[in-house]
Amino acid sequence: DAGITQSPRYKITETGRQVTLMCHQTWSHSYMFWYRQDLGHGLRLIYYSAAADITDKGEVPDGYVVSRSKTENFPLTLESATRSQTSVYFCASSERQGPPRGYTFGSGTRLTVV
Amino acid sequence: GQQLNQSPQSMFIQEGEDVSMNCTSSSIFNTWLWYKQDPGEGPVLLIALYKAGELTSNGRLTAQFGITRKDSFLNISASIPSDVGIYFCAAMNYGGSQGNLIFGKGTKLSVKP
Repeated sequence: DAGITQSPRYKITETGRQVTLMCHQTWSHSYMFWYRQDLGHGLRLIYYSAAADITDKGEVPDGYVVSRSKTENFPLTLESATRSQTSVYFCASSERQGPPRGYTFGSGTRLTVV
Repeated sequence: GQQLNQSPQSMFIQEGEDVSMNCTSSSIFNTWLWYKQDPGEGPVLLIALYKAGELTSNGRLTAQFGITRKDSFLNISASIPSDVGIYFCAAMNYGGSQGNLIFGKGTKLSVKP
């Protein structure tokens, strides 16, 4: 089905482990984004990508790594998970051309670091 | 950095009541958006505003792009139980290179039948 999908929906991991959250979109949107959502903070941008092989830091990039070898995929890796990275993570995508219609979001990954 | 101040943080209303929420910033933006997030889901775009002073409706929802370009308002008329959720304002400066969207902290709406 067309759309933006995130996996897994739920993940529990231990402190210090590496974990990768996946994001896949079928629209061939140029732009993709990773946000985290925490109580009292709303949505904060972690990393974004303007095209394959082009990525840039957002507001809260520390402790995260991204890659974008293919337009449709934008994985987010926590190299050594910490409890402060317990959060709900949202991936989003948008078109490059024309007026912005906002970002389309996935359903999120709820990550718990114990 | 740029910030959006969204208020109120939460609202508890009776079904049928009208709802108003707003978003302000010290920065100027050329695009304002309003999203709704249902429990367990990602935010979904409700209304997009591109011009200062613009007033746009989507069913029972009406949003306005403030004339100063530093604020926006969302009104929901005759609320119903399915209006429950978190409403986010978002803003960006689009043009040239893609600006990034920044979000307010959200308004949590509860509707009592």
